[in-house]
This record gives sequence, C-alpha cells and structure tokens, in this order.
Amino acid sequence: DAKTTQPNSMESNEEEPVHLPCNHSTISGTDYIHWYRQLPSQGPEYVIHGLTSNVNNRMASLAIAEDRKSSTLILHRATLRDAAVYYCILRDGWGGGSNYKLTFGKGTLLTVNP
Amino acid sequence: EPEVTQTPSHQVTQMGQEVILRCVPISNHLYFYWYRQILGQKVEFLVSFYNNEISEKSEIFDDQFSVERPDGSNFTLKIRSTKLEDSAMYFCASSADLSYNEQFFGPGTRLTVL
Repeated sequence: DAKTTQPNSMESNEEEPVHLPCNHSTISGTDYIHWYRQLPSQGPEYVIHGLTSNVNNRMASLAIAEDRKSSTLILHRATLRDAAVYYCILRDGWGGGSNYKLTFGKGTLLTVNP
Repeated sequence: EPEVTQTPSHQVTQMGQEVILRCVPISNHLYFYWYRQILGQKVEFLVSFYNNEISEKSEIFDDQFSVERPDGSNFTLKIRSTKLEDSAMYFCASSADLSYNEQFFGPGTRLTVL
C-alpha cells in the first residue's frame, strides 16, 4: 500500500473547524483515499473516502488536491466527541489480493478543547 | 443502526491456553476481518475471510491462529496456544462488498495473557 504522512497531533477548539492534512505523494491512479478514526477505547470507525472529487457526508468533508498527492479531512464544527486518532489510508480500488486489508499508520491525535 | 458485536469484551488467559474470540458481523455483509492493536501501537491487519476461506493473511497470522465461520452469523478467531505477546485488543470488522470498501469495526476484545 502507498504510504501516507500525517502530523502526529493537532489541537482544536470546540465548535471551530478542523483541517486534518494527509500527504500521499506516491498515490497511484487507482488508490482511493480513506479516512477512519478511533475514539478512545473503541474500534476504528469509517469517516469518509474519495478518489478524485471532493466528498461530503454527515460526518465530514474530504478535500482532495488536484494532483491527488495530498488531501484534507475537514470537520466543520469540532465537538468534544470528535477527539480521536484520525487515520488517512490509501486503498487500491480495483479489488483482489492485498486490497482487502486496511493498513493503519500512527494517524493524527486530535485534541478538542472545550 | 446495524453493528458488529464481539464477545467477550475482556478475556484473561494463561500462557499456552487456547482462546476463541467471537464476532457477529453485520448480517448482510460478505467480507470479514480480524485486526489487533497492542497497547500504544498501531492497528494491525491479521486476516480477511470471504466465501468461507481466507482471502489474505499477514505475517502475524501464523499456524497458531485460525478463523472460522461456523454458522451464518458468527465469525471466530482461535489462538491455539497463547503467548504473552498475544496480549492486545482484537477487533473484528465486516464489509458489504469490496468495491465500496467501508469496513465496520466491532468494539474489540481485550485479550490479556498471563
């Protein structure tokens, strides 16, 4: 799997937007960009994924650079419940072989201040 | 909302003993996974399972590990002879299909090997 680079930690204030960056300079044309998060003492949780276009869902937005070498997960109004480790993961979208697994890095630990 | 469940939440065992960790994936899902997370470390892929056979396994998943889907609902991970280094959180996950790729994780089983 192609490698991603994320800051070790970020801090935000409650009700403010948060932009979590991810660099993936070796991304291939068939790699989807996935974001998962892990709240304290819980299993990972899917957040969002995209290929080329920006994506929005009820949890977050994903902004993908035009060259796809970086992306940003946007939480529009951070809450205390958003404090978690956020993982940016690349997965080949064509299926088969090693595409079944998720390869987690260390992620970004997001702290949300009240 | 459908969810993945795991039992037990915490298992304590003696080194050398066999343990079985149980998971009930989301009912219409076809792909099943086990991951583990040693305290303070990354989430690591162990094995994926589809159509009643292993699709992929990691180097961690050696002969001491096995998986089974004994009926239409349960998915189990067996460790035949536990070692101290098997102490970790074990997460089960399932997904509806490969192309969509969202994996749903259970809350985990904390395995402590004494």
